[in-house]
Amino acid sequence: GEDVEQSLFLSVREGDSSVINCTYTDSSSTYLYWYKQEPGAGLQLLTYIFSNMDMKQDQRLTVLLNKKDKHLSLRIADTQTGDSAIYFCAVVYSSASKIIFGSGTRLSIRP
Amino acid sequence: DAGVIQSPRHEVTEMGQEVTLRCKPISGHNSLFWYRQTMMRGLELLIYFNNNVPIDDSGMPEDRFSAKMPNASFSTLKIQPSEPRDSAVYFCASSEAGFKNIQYFGAGTRLSVL
Repeated sequence: GEDVEQSLFLSVREGDSSVINCTYTDSSSTYLYWYKQEPGAGLQLLTYIFSNMDMKQDQRLTVLLNKKDKHLSLRIADTQTGDSAIYFCAVVYSSASKIIFGSGTRLSIRP
Repeated sequence: DAGVIQSPRHEVTEMGQEVTLRCKPISGHNSLFWYRQTMMRGLELLIYFNNNVPIDDSGMPEDRFSAKMPNASFSTLKIQPSEPRDSAVYFCASSEAGFKNIQYFGAGTRLSVL
């Protein structure tokens, strides 16, 4: 069945780049999203990419999509303390009839 | 727009009691989603509506859970009777049209069943 996997934790030094990875199982993905969740809050859309794209850049955020390997990554340049949060990868599957969220990656920032 | 509004933000109840969670989607959005988030199971889609009609409720865990959307600006998720294992954060989200459009999430309701 469809599945979306992420590593649970990532720790980076302030100012470094963070790379959060996501793998999925079904090649019929159509839309792929990255959401950010801060403590006590709902999920906030960060960025998204369509399955016919390889890369998308938006200020400090870069999304890379490798369809062959079914791998999605989110790179945050110049990571700041305000980037501390849980990051969720979400994949919309064929015919836009289902969305699967990953388990979330908790990003912590070291001084 | 104020975004998706959920109430209450926190709910503490005793086992066996009825719980009703409320959601007001973004005006003009045609799709509404209810999710449950727990440490063990992550984020799970419970049910979603299109134009006030339930489309897929396969994620609803048991008959104790029910959801309604009487009009385009209001939805409820009810648990009756509640059990301690229902303790979780429940999110409501809305989108312009289904899964292909961005979902905007509310702040969630943290439910504790004692």
